[in-house]
Amino acid sequence: GESVGLHLPTLSVQEGDNSIINCAYSNSASDYFIWYKQESGKGPQFIIDIRSNMDKRQGQRVTVLLNKTVKHLSLQIAATQPGDSAVYFCADDYSGAGSYQLTFGKGTKLSVIP
Amino acid sequence: NAGVMQNPRHLVRRRGQEARLRCSPMKGHSHVYWYRQLPEEGLKFMVYLQKENIIDESGMPKERFSAEFPKEGPSILRIQQVVRGDSAAYFCASSPQGNGNTGELFFGEGSRLTVL
Repeated sequence: GESVGLHLPTLSVQEGDNSIINCAYSNSASDYFIWYKQESGKGPQFIIDIRSNMDKRQGQRVTVLLNKTVKHLSLQIAATQPGDSAVYFCADDYSGAGSYQLTFGKGTKLSVIP
Repeated sequence: NAGVMQNPRHLVRRRGQEARLRCSPMKGHSHVYWYRQLPEEGLKFMVYLQKENIIDESGMPKERFSAEFPKEGPSILRIQQVVRGDSAAYFCASSPQGNGNTGELFFGEGSRLTVL
């Protein structure tokens, strides 16, 4: 069955350092992946997505890497800021790109140390 | 352009009561999705609706839960005869289209249901 999980539940990073959040998925049919950020008491906010025909995609201060061989993706945040403190979820869509039925992992809590 | 609006933000119910959660999608969005989040868990898909149509309810519990998105007014997630296990955050999301080029869903801030 499909499942998306994270290697580490918490991550503490010094302000200004780079952060790397990892995620593993189990369904090899997954072809679309999204990272969401959820601040305390708020809903998830889209960060970046990547399709399975890519292995890297960059946004503003964020980069997502996809390794289909080992079914792993990561989110890299450059120059981490206090405002980046949140829970980060990876989600996948195994039923087709752009589908609504996302499967979310449990999340990694990122804490930025000023 | 207001985001996805959910109310109430917090709802407390006793076992056996009914809970009604409302969601107004972003302006111009006609697709609504409900997700549930248990404490310290990821979100789990419940149901996908368009105006007056349930497109996919495969994530909805078979009993006590129902959802609608009428022609006029917000989408409503209804939970009858609530039990303690229903305590969770319920998130609504909307998109301008269903399956499209992006899976980006715009989420509301959630409704947190506590069942005593």
